[in-house]
Amino acid sequence: DQQVKQNSPSLSVQEGRISILNCDYTNSMFDYFLWYKKYPAEGPTFLISISSIKDKNEDGRFTVFLNKSAKHLSLHIVPSQPGDSAVYFCAASGVTGANNLFFGTGTRLTVIP
Amino acid sequence: GAVVSQHPSWVICKSGTSVKIECRSLDFQATTMFWYRQFPKQSLMLMATSNEGSKATYEQGVEKDKFLINHASLTLSTLTVTSAHPEDSSFYICSGGLAGAETQYFGPGTRLLVL
Repeated sequence: DQQVKQNSPSLSVQEGRISILNCDYTNSMFDYFLWYKKYPAEGPTFLISISSIKDKNEDGRFTVFLNKSAKHLSLHIVPSQPGDSAVYFCAASGVTGANNLFFGTGTRLTVIP
Repeated sequence: GAVVSQHPSWVICKSGTSVKIECRSLDFQATTMFWYRQFPKQSLMLMATSNEGSKATYEQGVEKDKFLINHASLTLSTLTVTSAHPEDSSFYICSGGLAGAETQYFGPGTRLLVL
């Protein structure tokens, strides 16, 4: 049972434009959400997170939005850069802290120069 | 940032043999270490959680006698796939976490191919 879903396996965006990656979840007990970026042959790298008490968290070019009623979160990257090309995983946790993470299947972002 | 290493990065073995994968936190002490598995086109799936000095907690459907986890210190955890079979071929990733921390730090992963 996939509790965290990323329905778009891939996304291509022109350099300088906005990249929007989407993630849906089914378990209303999740209260902490994270985005990871993964390059080939490397482990996932933490990118940004958001607690369920917030609806937006911004860090430089990266912003995560959370819509609890829709059980939906999105990652916005603006402006997109070629170095952002990677696979992006969203993950959810039931409690804040380094506990069990439930991952989506990932979205491969390609930023075209 | 916190760095986690894994060794080996890839391994090919014959069916029936055992394979050990090491996971080390290089510049921090990981209170908890996690082991994940990822099959092609699927998400990372948690296999087990281990705390230093205690027995690992396995997720439902993961055989603890097949996937032996040892977390002997705050910087080292090992996963041993015993009597590996072709269906165990997968990408295994470990991560380390700190108590109360917001995230986990992942190793680069180990690709296992069982012939």
